[in-house]
Amino acid sequence: EDQVTQSPEALRLQEGESSSLNCSYTVSGLRGLFWYRQDPGKGPEFLFTLYSAGEEKEKERLKATLTKKESFLHITAPKPEDSATYLCAVQSHTSNSGYALNFGKGTSLLVTP
Amino acid sequence: ETGVTQSPTHLIKTRGQQVTLRCSSQSGHNTVSWYQQALGQGPQFIFQYYREEENGRGNFPPRFSGLQFPNYSSELNVNALELDDSALYLCASRKAGEETQYFGPGTRLLVL
Repeated sequence: EDQVTQSPEALRLQEGESSSLNCSYTVSGLRGLFWYRQDPGKGPEFLFTLYSAGEEKEKERLKATLTKKESFLHITAPKPEDSATYLCAVQSHTSNSGYALNFGKGTSLLVTP
Repeated sequence: ETGVTQSPTHLIKTRGQQVTLRCSSQSGHNTVSWYQQALGQGPQFIFQYYREEENGRGNFPPRFSGLQFPNYSSELNVNALELDDSALYLCASRKAGEETQYFGPGTRLLVL
């Protein structure tokens, strides 16, 4: 069974203080690993899709990387508007649920001025 | 803005009642999935529809059912509501053959 574990559960950063969020996964045949951002009471907003180990993607202050066992979301010089919950999800080739996303519980990020 | 819309935004029901939630997919997206997100948890996959047929289901009982219409809009129906059904219900759409799913804003359901 696919498993996704995110750490830390919560992270508080000062504005400009770079850090990384971790997503460890166990999956039989990775179809894709996804990062989403979710603001309170809103739907998840798509950030990145990674398909194979060694792949990296960047968007503004965010950079996502992938290995065979985990993914990192690096946040460089964060701003208060980066405060949100960041969700990691995996999609497997062998799932009986089609293209279902299996999510972790998320990391709640707070960036203070 | 993903182009995926959901209605209503909020809903209050009592235990035992039935509820219907609606979703309009992004233009060109013919596959829709529904997720349940409890407070403080990640979204949990309920089921997926493609060409108006269910083609994937998570660990949810049969009282959770759905429909997809020819215009790719969809419904989630929940019968015999339980207190634990209180959650944010999310609809996500994608193009067939692509992996990325785009989420709507969700419907917050409270069961009393």
